[in-house]
Amino acid sequence: EAQVTQNPRYLITVTGKKLTVTCSQNMNHEYMSWYRQDPGLGLRQIYYSMNVEVTDKGDVPEGYKVSRKEKRNFPLILESPSPNQTSLYFCATSGTGRRGEQYFGPGTRLTVT
Amino acid sequence: AQSVSQHNHHVILSEAASLELGCNYSYGGTVNLFWYVQYPGQHLQLLLKYFSGDPLVKGIKGFEAEFIKSKFSFNLRKPSVQWSDTAEYFCAVNKNYGGATNKLIFGTGTLLAVQP
Repeated sequence: EAQVTQNPRYLITVTGKKLTVTCSQNMNHEYMSWYRQDPGLGLRQIYYSMNVEVTDKGDVPEGYKVSRKEKRNFPLILESPSPNQTSLYFCATSGTGRRGEQYFGPGTRLTVT
Repeated sequence: AQSVSQHNHHVILSEAASLELGCNYSYGGTVNLFWYVQYPGQHLQLLLKYFSGDPLVKGIKGFEAEFIKSKFSFNLRKPSVQWSDTAEYFCAVNKNYGGATNKLIFGTGTLLAVQP
């Protein structure tokens, strides 16, 4: 079954405590992306990756890092989380020739106090 | 700035009413267009997509959308909504660079509540 998985699904943490949200896909897709969803703002892209070792900033990259060491995994790293990073995070993937059509993970609800 | 606009932020309908949600984009040239749906507590799922050809596209669950190039619009429609259509709906645009990029630009979403 084609899947995009994210862990954890829910996380409450404190300001400044480093955290990683994992994303994994089993569709052999080249393109992976992270979005954050905030009320009234829709989904905004944080970072994306066109393939292994190829990553680039999206529209709201400040405060986030990513890595793409393997094709199936694309973790999102918050080195020093702040309350304004409280949000719902989605990982998405897309394959060559998909023309932007993306498959989304189940989401990670992060609260930073 | 290039953007995707959804003019209806909240829509409340009774069951069996007709639905039309507006979506306009400001990109020139060739685009790929999508509507995604997010049911309460769930992830985004593809409702329908337009790449080329017939500008009237049909998706899942009785939804359809019409691409009007001259109006830069891709409005979503359903003739008769059900309570189970209660969800948030997102329009998204991919700028066609010959497949070189998969980036989607999303609208801010429309929250639809269907009353039984």
